[in-house]
Amino acid sequence: GQSLEQPSEVTAVEGAIVQINCTYQTSGFYGLSWYQQHDGGAPTFLSYNALDGLEETGRFSSFLSRSDSYGYLLLQELQMKDSASYFCAVRDGGGGNKLTFGTGTQLKVEL
Amino acid sequence: NAGVTQTPKFRVLKTGQSMTLLCAQDMNHEYMYWYRQDPGMGLRLIHYSVGEGTTAKGEVPDGYNVSRLKKQNFLLGLESAAPSQTSVYFCATLTGPRSNQPQHFGDGTRLSIL
Repeated sequence: GQSLEQPSEVTAVEGAIVQINCTYQTSGFYGLSWYQQHDGGAPTFLSYNALDGLEETGRFSSFLSRSDSYGYLLLQELQMKDSASYFCAVRDGGGGNKLTFGTGTQLKVEL
Repeated sequence: NAGVTQTPKFRVLKTGQSMTLLCAQDMNHEYMYWYRQDPGMGLRLIHYSVGEGTTAKGEVPDGYNVSRLKKQNFLLGLESAAPSQTSVYFCATLTGPRSNQPQHFGDGTRLSIL
């Protein structure tokens, strides 16, 4: 089976940098994804790491260390609109290419 | 181009009633998924399909059935609704077996069972 752990809540100020960590225990691993979800909205894809290292997409970066079963999402130049829940998800690569999601981190951006 | 469309968006049921949630996609994606999301929790996979005419169980399949008679539609059925099935249900699609493609989500169906 799969299990993922991430902090339940993070608070930061506008313009700052915040890091959301994710550790996982999995029976199969083919990549770590990050999704953003605003209150009442649908999850939207942010980033994906299949290999170790950093992936950068604009203000968002994601890092993966497969040897440590660990990844993080880095958000720079925080904006109020970044207030949302962020989920890490492991792709198992097996039949159905399924994702197992963490319980999510609620990010609150304050002035 | 609607992407992934879920109907209905909201529904209130009484315990024991049945209903079907519809997920329709216009992206010609092979894979489709049904998740439920409860407060303070991530999304949990109920059932999924890797193509027309196929279905498979996910993490929490009990109390639900699914059908994929047409490639563009994935139906989730509750035969006898229970209060424990009160949740937000999301449908998602994926192009196919390539591992680096993201899942595309619908806007969700908010289901309350009294």
